[in-house]
Amino acid sequence: QAVLAQSPSASASLGASVKLTCTLSGGHSNYAIAWHQQQPDKGPRFLMRLNGDGSHSRGDGIPDRFSGSSSGAERYLTISSLQSEDEADYYCQTWGTGFWVFGGGTKLTVL
Amino acid sequence: QVQMVESGGGVVQPGGSLRLSCAASGFTFTRYALHWVRQAPGKGLAWVAVISDDGNNKYYADSVQGRFSISRDNSKKMFHLQMNSLGTEDAAVYYCAGALPRNGIEMWGQGTLVTVSS
Repeated sequence: QAVLAQSPSASASLGASVKLTCTLSGGHSNYAIAWHQQQPDKGPRFLMRLNGDGSHSRGDGIPDRFSGSSSGAERYLTISSLQSEDEADYYCQTWGTGFWVFGGGTKLTVL
Repeated sequence: QVQMVESGGGVVQPGGSLRLSCAASGFTFTRYALHWVRQAPGKGLAWVAVISDDGNNKYYADSVQGRFSISRDNSKKMFHLQMNSLGTEDAAVYYCAGALPRNGIEMWGQGTLVTVSS
């Protein structure tokens, strides 16, 4: 079963860019993932599906400030032109036959 | 517009039971696998259970296997989570969610709170 590792926290300045990382392990380095955002006191929101080759498809209404990329077992979420509402927890998720797994989440602070 | 709305949360005593429901609209219900995901206070997201688009396959997290049961009613565009033998470790906000087969979750409800307390 795949395990997903995320840094607990990240920070970046308003208007800057930030790159969050999700690392696959357990022999599943080629797996696709999904990125989800959870703003304070809200439910999660699907951001995008990200494939192992770096191709990605954003959810409805997700601005193109959010982009994804991949390198080996690492999956990245890049947020450009950071806005105050981007301050949130970000979770990666993967799946396979009989299992669905979330990473521990990264808390993003916008300075 | 896609909507998933949970109901059924509340306060239950340890060892008790609760049934959560999720009403879906705005998408082709029968194309989607349906999930329950929970989030304990101050913690991250944890996957709980899934039922396939045709209802024939169900999978559970080890922590709830044998105690929880997922079901769906395609005619009503609803699905449910029957939770038995609840413990304090089951206290969480429970989210319903949807995913195309062999895909990640792409839609979420707003959550319903389950409190387990005597």
